[in-house]
Amino acid sequence: SAVISQKPSRDICQRGTSLTIQCQVDSQVTMMFWYRQQPGQSLTLIATANQGSEATYESGFVIDKFPISRPNLTFSTLTVSNMSPEDSSIYLCSVEEPGGIYGYTFGSGTRLTVV
Amino acid sequence: QQQVKQSPQSLIVQKGGISIINCAYENTAFDYFPWYQQFPGKGPALLIAIRPDVSEKKEGRFTISFNKSAKQFSLHIMDSQPGDSATYFCAASYNNNDMRFGAGTRLTVKP
Repeated sequence: SAVISQKPSRDICQRGTSLTIQCQVDSQVTMMFWYRQQPGQSLTLIATANQGSEATYESGFVIDKFPISRPNLTFSTLTVSNMSPEDSSIYLCSVEEPGGIYGYTFGSGTRLTVV
Repeated sequence: QQQVKQSPQSLIVQKGGISIINCAYENTAFDYFPWYQQFPGKGPALLIAIRPDVSEKKEGRFTISFNKSAKQFSLHIMDSQPGDSATYFCAASYNNNDMRFGAGTRLTVKP
């Protein structure tokens, strides 16, 4: 399985500020995904990021709020912009398994608290 | 977004017992059905998965049962152990894209 390093692991931020979350993978992957997991809840897909193209956002998520970069096949960032307490959540980076194997691997997540 | 319904929300089982978690899906195009296990402070980890061309898959104490006609699948954990206490998510995807997750089941195995 791919190994994902996600940073930061947690942060406490002031409302109105922005936080950029980094996701580094130990192998080249075509597709990377960003999920949000609110406390005690399921995982909700924010967007899919393919290298060389703009991210595709799910309904309810917009680029101005969650800009994503995907500069190469092993790295992506998600920015949570103009944060409010409602953005307090765990943000997870995920990648498809390499080699055409079905399944996703997840990072350990970024626990964000907005005060 | 939720296209996969999972139950129960929480489950308490005695050590050595069988834990059963159920999921139902809507989209008949789904072709991959994984189960993920998540411990507090960690990301979900793939536990076991099945494709719709088989009705059952077993890996150690973990078994997926799949009913294509009913659009349902379930996870059975045999001889449940306290170390199995975690949150379990079923999921479904088509062509390994846009994986959709169930609401999760918090399993507690009492010693």
